[in-house]
Amino acid sequence: RKEVEQDPGPFNVPEGATVAFNCTYSNSASQSFFWYRQDCRKEPKLLMSVYSSGNEDGRFTAQLNRASQYISLLIRDSKLSDSATYLCVVINTDKLIFGTGTRLQVFP
Amino acid sequence: NAGVTQTPKFQVLKTGQSMTLQCAQDMNHNSMYWYRQDPGMGLRLIYYSASEGTTDKGEVPNGYNVSRLNKREFSLRLESAAPSQTSVYFCASRTPPGTDPYEQYFGPGTRLTVT
Repeated sequence: RKEVEQDPGPFNVPEGATVAFNCTYSNSASQSFFWYRQDCRKEPKLLMSVYSSGNEDGRFTAQLNRASQYISLLIRDSKLSDSATYLCVVINTDKLIFGTGTRLQVFP
Repeated sequence: NAGVTQTPKFQVLKTGQSMTLQCAQDMNHNSMYWYRQDPGMGLRLIYYSASEGTTDKGEVPNGYNVSRLNKREFSLRLESAAPSQTSVYFCASRTPPGTDPYEQYFGPGTRLTVT
């Protein structure tokens, strides 16, 4: 079983839609959680950290459920520019473990 | 502010050839990393360096060597390239623990093809 698992998608949604991704992790001792964004043929970039109480940054909301060992990312009012791959990242013993990513395609 | 830079951007090698991928960061970070990214596999850690003068193996170190030349530079060497090493290679550096956000910055990547 992979340490971090994501649905690869693609999620095809129209502009303005709300879309949610989940990610599960296997190590209950995982310390920190993040969502990274990766555009096609580019490097990953930090989108947002995920805090225990949940956190919001504009149209993006991230939540953590330690009991069920999953994190989620909600994107409201999707834009064409949100089209990318979203990587779930978990820190275990100071190492970043990356999921394989969920691809989002927003269409007009 | 350049962040993390990598050279070359693209490289084609024949099986058995050697090469070194260069990486440098100007953010004064202690920790630096080399990853490879393959379709369906996600980013896998090859080697990392927690500080100048130290290096450690990651998940997939076989066939690679690294050098932490100084605080800025962390190079990855393929001594005898194999087709299985065809991949996109990313170098990264990371902010110190306790920093908010605790962020990893990536270079633009090197696309390597081994024929």
